Amino acid sequence: AQSVTQPDARVTVSEGASLQLRCKYSYSGTPYLFWYVQYPRQGLQLLLKYYSGDPVVQGVNGFEAEFSKSNSSFHLRKASVHWSDSAVYFCVRNNRIFFGDGTQLVVKP
Amino acid sequence: EAAVTQSPRSKVAVTGGKVTLSCHQTNNHDYMYWYRQDTGHGLRLIHYSYVADSTEKGDIPDGYKASRPSQENFSLILELASLSQTAVYFCASSDELGDGTQYFGPGTRLLVL
Repeated sequence: AQSVTQPDARVTVSEGASLQLRCKYSYSGTPYLFWYVQYPRQGLQLLLKYYSGDPVVQGVNGFEAEFSKSNSSFHLRKASVHWSDSAVYFCVRNNRIFFGDGTQLVVKP
Repeated sequence: EAAVTQSPRSKVAVTGGKVTLSCHQTNNHDYMYWYRQDTGHGLRLIHYSYVADSTEKGDIPDGYKASRPSQENFSLILELASLSQTAVYFCASSDELGDGTQYFGPGTRLLVL
């Protein structure tokens, strides 16, 4: 069974629109969850992370994510996307390291 | 200033040949990792290490060896490269295994012909 599932391989939004990238995880305990971003031909960079406490975590560049134990989800959101947000986004569960397959975000001008 | 560097950045190898990928970190982190990324997929853990002179198998260790001669350096070795090992390889470091943020190198593109 996939430990981290990102159901959307590709998401296209217009610049200025809001964004949600979905992530579902499988883990019976309390997960450590991360979102990373990968720009073309680069390594991955941390956007935000969740360990415990407030289920809404703030990250860099206006990104935030909400942890839901009941839904086993950790969706990434942004209120208004910019063309420079175009990249691949990975959800990661780190109790034992599992990466989702990534969601490619395309922001149209 | 990049804290995790990888060399080479790209390599073409022949089937059956030996390939060594190198990683160097200046984060003073105990943990280092090697991942491979195949097109359209996430990263899969090959080997990791939490201390010099010791390595651990990840999820897909077959066909790969790892070496951690010092805290700063971590190598991935393909003794007999195969076509199926064509991929992008990423090195990362972190200060903890479970909840530590990982810092990634820029990747090495390996093409095995």
